[in-house]
Amino acid sequence: DTAVSQTPKYLVTQMGNDKSIKCEQNLGHDTMYWYKQDSKKFLKIMFSYNNKELIINETVPNRFSPKSPDKAHLNLHINSLELGDSAVYFCASSLRGVSSGNTIYFGEGSWLTVV
Amino acid sequence: GENVEQHPSTLSVQEGDSAVIKCTYSDSASNYFPWYKQELGKRPQLIIDIRSNVGEKKDQRIAVTLNKTAKHFSLHITETQPEDSAVYFCAASKRGSNYQLIWGAGTKLIIKP
Repeated sequence: DTAVSQTPKYLVTQMGNDKSIKCEQNLGHDTMYWYKQDSKKFLKIMFSYNNKELIINETVPNRFSPKSPDKAHLNLHINSLELGDSAVYFCASSLRGVSSGNTIYFGEGSWLTVV
Repeated sequence: GENVEQHPSTLSVQEGDSAVIKCTYSDSASNYFPWYKQELGKRPQLIIDIRSNVGEKKDQRIAVTLNKTAKHFSLHITETQPEDSAVYFCAASKRGSNYQLIWGAGTKLIIKP
């Protein structure tokens, strides 16, 4: 009954490959996010969707492409993986944005290592 | 745009002592300030938050204070315990965006036995 679940948890892949990370939330939330956390632990937002609509698209290489088939799912596809893409990718969700004080619930993270 | 600075980057305290982590923000229109805790290898989780119409909020051993005039807010942990060891992130809401928090860089809190 995990609230925000993402798969895979660990992913080791070679440079140049294409990979996807899937995310699902069963909280009934409208808003979903992808965050990247590098080795320095900084949390960087990549994308945010609200009811399947792209709201935030930060300065992220266009090799990263999110897709939200419905408001409970937000997947992340990464093309032509580079060494610098190695990081932990967190999916997250909130009821309806954040400024009204809605808590962001994070998934367990997907550890991506590019070799 | 909004910027959130967090200090210190690392804080080491003796078990049982208090710990204070401070954050400053730049946009006076920010109105929501959460704190998240991330244990090693785990996900960030909300531990406490405060809104701009409140000066202080407490939850057992943790408290958050907000000074809107000075544009800073702080996390206070009293009687620290080993399980308090983690990275703590502050954040502030972003003006004009209902969907984005601006995050601090994190503070690694180490509790020495």
